[in-house]
Amino acid sequence: QKEVEQNSGPLSVPEGAIASLNCTYSDRGSQSFFWYRQYSGKSPELIMSIYSNGDKEDGRFTAQLNKASQYVSLLIRDSQPSDSATYLCAVNMGQTGANNLFFGTGTRLTVIP
Amino acid sequence: SQTIHQWPATLVQPVGSPLSLECTVEGTSNPNLYWYRQAAGRGLQLLFYSVGIGQISSEVPQNLSASRPQDRQFILSSKKLLLSDSGFYLCASTGGSGRSEAFFGQGTRLTVV
Repeated sequence: QKEVEQNSGPLSVPEGAIASLNCTYSDRGSQSFFWYRQYSGKSPELIMSIYSNGDKEDGRFTAQLNKASQYVSLLIRDSQPSDSATYLCAVNMGQTGANNLFFGTGTRLTVIP
Repeated sequence: SQTIHQWPATLVQPVGSPLSLECTVEGTSNPNLYWYRQAAGRGLQLLFYSVGIGQISSEVPQNLSASRPQDRQFILSSKKLLLSDSGFYLCASTGGSGRSEAFFGQGTRLTVV
């Protein structure tokens, strides 16, 4: 069974700290990995995508992928109160003709001023 | 990039009434389309997905149904709503034009009373 797992949290960090969010997935053949941010009452918005092993940086966000360990993470540097949201990990497991996108249940992040 | 139009944003319906939520997609062709439901503070529950016109797969048995009459149109329906149908409904699109990430509509907050 294809699964994506995240710690549900809540994760609390002080303003200015680094927030680290983790995600594991079951399908070793997965090729596309995404992080979404969802504010309360709003729809998820894509903030990072990563396709290759290693790190990908975009502003204060860094996505890290380790396909051998089936692990993807999101680091948020200099965390701000506006980063308080639920972060969803998603993995595209690439099946043609079938559901190919799987989401974790999300990690709730609170940044304390 | 893709744009997902979903309406209405909020809806209050009595128990036993019908439901029709519509989702249309711009900026891509041949997408995979999804309907998710999200209970308060919970993860995304996949209800239906479609890989093409007239092709619908149901993930969870319930009194909801979905249809895809056109390539970029996805409709969620019910003949008689239950109280338990209340929730936040999200339409999403993946694939098409070689893109694998999901884009979401704004969501519909449905309250069955």
